[in-house]
Amino acid sequence: AQSVTQLGSHVSVSEGALVLLRCNYSSSVPPYLFWYVQYPNQGLQLLLKYTSAATLVKGINGFEAEFKKSETSFHLTKPSAHMSDAAEYFCAVSVNQGGKLIFGQGTELSVKP
Amino acid sequence: GAGVSQTPSNKVTEKGKYVELRCDPISGHTALYWYRQSLGQGPEFLIYFQGTGAADDSGLPNDRFFAVRPEGSVSTLKIQRTERGDSAVYLCASSLAGGPTGELFFGEGSRLTVL
Repeated sequence: AQSVTQLGSHVSVSEGALVLLRCNYSSSVPPYLFWYVQYPNQGLQLLLKYTSAATLVKGINGFEAEFKKSETSFHLTKPSAHMSDAAEYFCAVSVNQGGKLIFGQGTELSVKP
Repeated sequence: GAGVSQTPSNKVTEKGKYVELRCDPISGHTALYWYRQSLGQGPEFLIYFQGTGAADDSGLPNDRFFAVRPEGSVSTLKIQRTERGDSAVYLCASSLAGGPTGELFFGEGSRLTVL
């Protein structure tokens, strides 16, 4: 069965610092992986996705993630944090042809001025 | 509207009551998903519709939960004999075709509180 594990329920960085949010997956088949972001009082929105093309995926707002099969990881990074990046971030894996997603528990990102 | 619309945004009910939550997906999206999100947790899959039919209802926790999508657009999640443990935010999402790489578009959720 496919699953994702997000390491760290809370991450705090200073404005301008590197953002690194960790996600490891478990899958018996080549996975499709996603990062979604949830801003306060808003619905989840897609940041980026890996669908077996390039292993380095670029998303919105300067975020990117690298698929590493050997490490079963799909960590999310951003070189320089902005105050507006404060939100909850969810890693997810697609588990069947229907597009059903299994989500991790989420990582809350705080950005300090 | 352009996005996924969910009503009500907040619902407070008493234990044992019946509740309906409505989802209006993006026009033209054939796939519709219901998730439940408890405090501090990621969204938990409940059910997925492709058109009018439930393609996967493996996430429904028990027979008190039921969902319909009679015309392949609007969906209603129905909870009978509510329990305090049903308190959560219920999320609806839609996607264009429901494939494994498609983007899910989420509504803002319906927060259910069972007293």
